[in-house]
Amino acid sequence: AQTVTQSQPEMSVQEAETVTLSCTYDTSENNYYLFWYKQPPSRQMILVIRQEAYKQQNATENRFSVNFQKAAKSFSLKISDSQLGDTAMYFCAFQNRDDKIIFGKGTRLHILP
Amino acid sequence: ETGVTQSPTHLIKTRGQQVTLRCSSQSGHNTVSWYQQALGQGPQFIFQYYREEENGRGNFPPRFSGLQFPNYSSELNVNALELDDSALYLCASSSPKGNGYTFGSGTRLTVV
Repeated sequence: AQTVTQSQPEMSVQEAETVTLSCTYDTSENNYYLFWYKQPPSRQMILVIRQEAYKQQNATENRFSVNFQKAAKSFSLKISDSQLGDTAMYFCAFQNRDDKIIFGKGTRLHILP
Repeated sequence: ETGVTQSPTHLIKTRGQQVTLRCSSQSGHNTVSWYQQALGQGPQFIFQYYREEENGRGNFPPRFSGLQFPNYSSELNVNALELDDSALYLCASSSPKGNGYTFGSGTRLTVV
């Protein structure tokens, strides 16, 4: 079975600091997609960043970047210069060849002023 | 382009009742997926519809059923509601594969 594991239930960092959220996954597939989603208190699930497994280059979106280690099945999210608006639940997600997305249990991130 | 819209936003039902949740997919998206998100948990896959046909199902009992219409909007029906069905129900649409899903804001269902 394909699984996504987020080992950090909750994290807090000071505004402007850098924070890294961890994620590991398990799959026997070779081609797949990985995502980080953000869910603020408004409940809207927002796509933060995506990574295609066949691309070795780590994806970057402004202050958000990933460290994708395919052999280790690791996909961490780094948030640089964190802002108060980054406070949210963050979900790591895996999309398999059947086009289904599987989510981890999430990491609650608090950005402190 | 419009996003994914879900209705209603909140709902309270009594155990044993039936409920229908609705979702309008983003323009151009032909795949709709439904998720159940319990408080403090990650979303759990219920099922997916592609061009009006069920295209995969998660570990949910048959009392969870769905429909997709020709305009790609979708319904989630839950019969014989149980207290544990209380959750946020998220609808997501997608097309093509690999671009991730676009989510609605969800329906908060409370079963009392």
